[in-house]
Amino acid sequence: DTAVSQTPKYLVTQMGNDKSIKCEQNLGHDTMYWYKQDSKKFLKIMFSYNNKELIINETVPNRFSPKSPDKAHLNLHINSLELGDSAVYFCASSQGTSGGDLETQYFGPGTRLLVL
Amino acid sequence: GQNIDQPTEMTATEGAIVQINCTYQTSGFNGLFWYQQHAGEAPTFLSYNVLDGLEEKGRFSSFLSRSKGYSYLLLKELQMKDSASYLCAVMDSNYQLIWGAGTKLIIKP
Repeated sequence: DTAVSQTPKYLVTQMGNDKSIKCEQNLGHDTMYWYKQDSKKFLKIMFSYNNKELIINETVPNRFSPKSPDKAHLNLHINSLELGDSAVYFCASSQGTSGGDLETQYFGPGTRLLVL
Repeated sequence: GQNIDQPTEMTATEGAIVQINCTYQTSGFNGLFWYQQHAGEAPTFLSYNVLDGLEEKGRFSSFLSRSKGYSYLLLKELQMKDSASYLCAVMDSNYQLIWGAGTKLIIKP
């Protein structure tokens, strides 16, 4: 009965490869997010989707492309991986986008990406 | 610009009390969150404050002063399992969550 799940948990790959990370939430939430957490442990928002529509697209390279087939899924595809992409990527979801504790975000377990 | 400040690291003793401060400057305010993150794990929700004052949840309490742009997380009766990073996050006027860098709390026996 995992609330927010991500696969894979670990991903080791070579520079230049293309990879995808999948995220699913079974909480019935309308909004999903992708975060990058680097070695300094700073959480940086990358994307946010509300009901399959993109609402936040921070300054990230266009090698990163999110895809939301339905509101329970938000996948992240990364093209031409670079060394600097090595980090932990967290998916999260929240019930709403208009304030209050509906904004509480629930995180997946993270995907540890290492680019060699 | 938008900014969240927290101490990088704090150390406390098992059984004691510790207060982790967070100050913020954001464009608007729609609530402040505290999250706990154990090493190698995902952040988990601890508390939410949108009105001034103290919110208590068992051993953990969170305080907010909107006029001062200030919050703290108070942990009582510290246990070894409380060793973790504590992240302060503020929701701005666009309902975007701005995250602090987190405070690493080390508990010593």
